Amino acid sequence: QVQLVQSGAEVKKPGASVKVSCKASGYTFTSHYIHWVRQAPGQGLEWMGIIDPSGGSTSYTQKFQGRFTMTRNTSSSTIYMELSSLRSEDTAVYFCARGSSEVDGCFDSWGQGTLVTVSS
Amino acid sequence: DIVMTQSPDSLAVSLGERATINCKSSQSVLYSSNNENFLAWYQQKPGQPPKLLIYWASTRESGVPDRFSGSGSGADFTLTISSLQAEDVAVYYCQQYYSTPYTFGQGTKLEIK
Repeated sequence: QVQLVQSGAEVKKPGASVKVSCKASGYTFTSHYIHWVRQAPGQGLEWMGIIDPSGGSTSYTQKFQGRFTMTRNTSSSTIYMELSSLRSEDTAVYFCARGSSEVDGCFDSWGQGTLVTVSS
Repeated sequence: DIVMTQSPDSLAVSLGERATINCKSSQSVLYSSNNENFLAWYQQKPGQPPKLLIYWASTRESGVPDRFSGSGSGADFTLTISSLQAEDVAVYYCQQYYSTPYTFGQGTKLEIK
């Protein structure tokens, strides 16, 4: 079955960077885009960006331009997201999510989420 | 950016009764070339990631019970649970995928009355 398994929780200081991994299994890694969505504590969902695992092309929401990077390793079927210049408002659960088979823009499988806490 | 607004923010419904959640987009998400509405619904239970329920505004994802249905077009949409079950307690989100950045509604918390 399709699985997205993310790396564990992180605690970072303001100004630092964090890198979260998302390992895919159960399907052809290059056949589905991967998205990142975050959720601040007790808040709603915020889409951050998308990566094409096949060619590596990316698109980011403007809010995160310049400090958000997505990369992939096709040999290990793993997607990485890195967020730099962290501030307290970046404290959130970060999810990777697979673009659905029927339409890429919605998400049919999700990772379990990675809590990133930014605190001095 | 397209703003998605859900109503109500919270809802309490008796078991076996109908639950209705509304979602309005700040512009139409109907794509004229294929006559599809680029609108999805998700269910999120505490401590879990969201689960896709419906896409194209009214198409149920595989495995989703048929008590869940979606309707609407253009900028006004509805998620209906025809007969509420205890396991349906969750927060529900609508999401547009008409244009990036993809955006979500603020969520509607559904509880048992």
